[in-house]
Amino acid sequence: EVQLVQSGAEVKKPGESLKISCKGSGYSFTSYWIGWVRQMPGKGLEWMGIIYPGDSDTRYSPSFQGQVTISADKSISTAYLQWSSLKASDTAMYYCARLGSSQLGDAFDIWGQGTMVTVSS
Amino acid sequence: EIVMTQSPATLSVSPGERATLSCRASQSVSSNLAWYQQKPGQAPRLLIYGASTRATGIPARFSGSGSGTEFTLTISSLQSEDFAVYYCQQYNNWPYMYTFGQGTKLEIK
Repeated sequence: EVQLVQSGAEVKKPGESLKISCKGSGYSFTSYWIGWVRQMPGKGLEWMGIIYPGDSDTRYSPSFQGQVTISADKSISTAYLQWSSLKASDTAMYYCARLGSSQLGDAFDIWGQGTMVTVSS
Repeated sequence: EIVMTQSPATLSVSPGERATLSCRASQSVSSNLAWYQQKPGQAPRLLIYGASTRATGIPARFSGSGSGTEFTLTISSLQSEDFAVYYCQQYNNWPYMYTFGQGTKLEIK
């Protein structure tokens, strides 16, 4: 079964750092782009960025460039999303999702279950 | 920046009836348009890609149409499990690739 399994919920304080993960299985992890999508409480979906685990080619939405870092470790089929200094406004559900092909112009066909990040003092 | 606008924001339909959801792009996205369904507490699920191709396992009552800037998702005969929020998404225009619409909530009438 093709699936993405994300790390568990996090509760952090403003200014702290965080790295959440997304582990792929059931397919060739290095052959498909993995994207990250934010969903703030009660709001819609926002694309943050995307990485190709095969060569770590990474692209960011202009809205999130410089705010987060996306990486991947192909040896363990895992992609990451990290913050160096969290803000309360980073409180959201974060989803990883796989593109349906090796091409950038495609839809997200497989989604992780989401990681809830809460930032509060 | 490309903007995806969905209408209506909320749609009330009775089970068994047809639902028609709209999505408009601020500039052409060709046929690079997807639809997703999201139920409360769940991750989004891909329904349609390429504007009109159903994803694996999606029932035939879901259909997509359109190209360029105007798109439609039609659910031919609503089942109880179809009441959810639906998002359209373009994947055509860098650097704002994968832009989502704001969503349409489909609720039971």
